Amino acid sequence: ILNVEQSPQSLHVQEGDSTNFTCSFPSSNFYALHWYRWETAKSPEALFVMTLNGDEKKKGRISATLNTKEGYSYLYIKGSQPEDSATYLCASNSNSGYALNFGKGTSLLVTP
Amino acid sequence: EAGVTQSPTHLIKTRGQQATLRCSPISGHTSVYWYQQALGLGLQFLLWYDEGEERNRGNFPPRFSGRQFPNYSSELNVNALELEDSALYLCASRLTGGSSYEQYFGPGTRLTVT
Repeated sequence: ILNVEQSPQSLHVQEGDSTNFTCSFPSSNFYALHWYRWETAKSPEALFVMTLNGDEKKKGRISATLNTKEGYSYLYIKGSQPEDSATYLCASNSNSGYALNFGKGTSLLVTP
Repeated sequence: EAGVTQSPTHLIKTRGQQATLRCSPISGHTSVYWYQQALGLGLQFLLWYDEGEERNRGNFPPRFSGRQFPNYSSELNVNALELEDSALYLCASRLTGGSSYEQYFGPGTRLTVT
């Protein structure tokens, strides 16, 4: 995998549903994997940064896992709420100073 | 603590003109990154400045340039604007050194080229 790829491209769930997204990234020269939450007309908000294989991070109802050997990360949202509606971006970088290589994002819509 | 700020919010230019976009990083952050999101594409890395120097650039033509000032704020200049330069331009800052991985983003400048 040369680029960061995210799936699905978009997702529409009902309030209370749990959902998950996938991010695939180049496993060679891996340094860190980032998840951002981006609401329209706002700044992308950092959710998690993970560096170690097997890392699991959690913030409220949102959690993420990392597999650096096979080059993928999952983002989970438990009990989705309408305020979770946003685009979720995944990005990797190969060096602490280097630029982030972003996927195209997963657009989540949660309806009441 | 103030976040990353960008100005202007919107910018409308004519093809062939020059555009200047500005970014102020979080206080204490010395690295500034510029990204472009064109229609239908993901965020693409443009430029990285640290301590006043250009450290790396993405796959963009030399028409895209910038600089970083002694107070670590930054400008992105786009010369000889083309229609496909219409995009959202995001700036991010990072605290250099140590285990600082996170980049903090501003709200962006929407550039429209007519």
